[in-house]
Amino acid sequence: DAGITQSPRHKVTETGTPVTLRCHQTENHRYMYWYRQDPGHGLRLIHYSYGVKDTDKGEVSDGYSVSRSKTEDFLLTLESATSSQTSVYFCAISTGTGRVTEAFFGQGTRLTVV
Amino acid sequence: AQTVTQSQPEMSVQEAETVTLSCTYDTSESDYYLFWYKQPPSRQMILVIRQEAYKQQNATENRFSVNFQKAAKSFSLKISDSQLGDAAMYFCAYQDVTDKLIFGTGTRLQVFP
Repeated sequence: DAGITQSPRHKVTETGTPVTLRCHQTENHRYMYWYRQDPGHGLRLIHYSYGVKDTDKGEVSDGYSVSRSKTEDFLLTLESATSSQTSVYFCAISTGTGRVTEAFFGQGTRLTVV
Repeated sequence: AQTVTQSQPEMSVQEAETVTLSCTYDTSESDYYLFWYKQPPSRQMILVIRQEAYKQQNATENRFSVNFQKAAKSFSLKISDSQLGDAAMYFCAYQDVTDKLIFGTGTRLQVFP
C-alpha cells in the first residue's frame, strides 16, 4: 500500500461545516492526489501536488482547498460542506520517477454531508 | 485537456471465457502512460497493467493483456480465462509527463459461473 494512510475513514458532518481530510505517506513520494469517487463518474481529480507547497487544481476543485506543508502530508479541506460533496474520497501517490510510474491509493474516506 | 472515456458501464463474462474492456483517451502529448486499475468491493485500487506510450509492444501480465493503438488513442484490456475473482470495477487511467493522473468512469465486470 506504499504506506498511505487516510484519516478519518468515515465521517458524517452537517451542511455548512468545514471538514479536513488527511492523507499521510511514509515514503517521501513527490506526487500526491485527491480524488472523489461517485457512481457513474469514476474517480475525478480534485487537486494534486507535485511538491511541498506546490499544488494545482483538478477538474472538480470548486469548494475544496488543499495544503501540503510537509512531503508526507496532503490535506483536503471542504471549506463549507454541501450535500453534493457526499462521496468517497481517495488519496493517491505516484512514484513518478522518470520511466517508472505507478499510483498507490489509500483506503478511502466515506464522507456524508447531512 | 486530457480525457479518458470508457463507453461500457457494465460487462459480463462466463467463467473461463475471454472479455475485452474498451478505453479511449484524448491527448496532444506524445509521451504518456496508460493504466488499468481494478477495484473490488473492498474499494482497494489495484494496478492491473501499465503501458508506456513509447513502447509499441502491448503489455501483458499473466491473463491480462492490452491492445494499445496509439494513433487511434485506444487502450483496451483483454482478460483471458476469466475467474470469479476478476469481478470488479475496472478503471482506465492516463498519466502524462506532468504526472496528472486522469481516470475514466469505469466498467463494472460481472463473472458468471
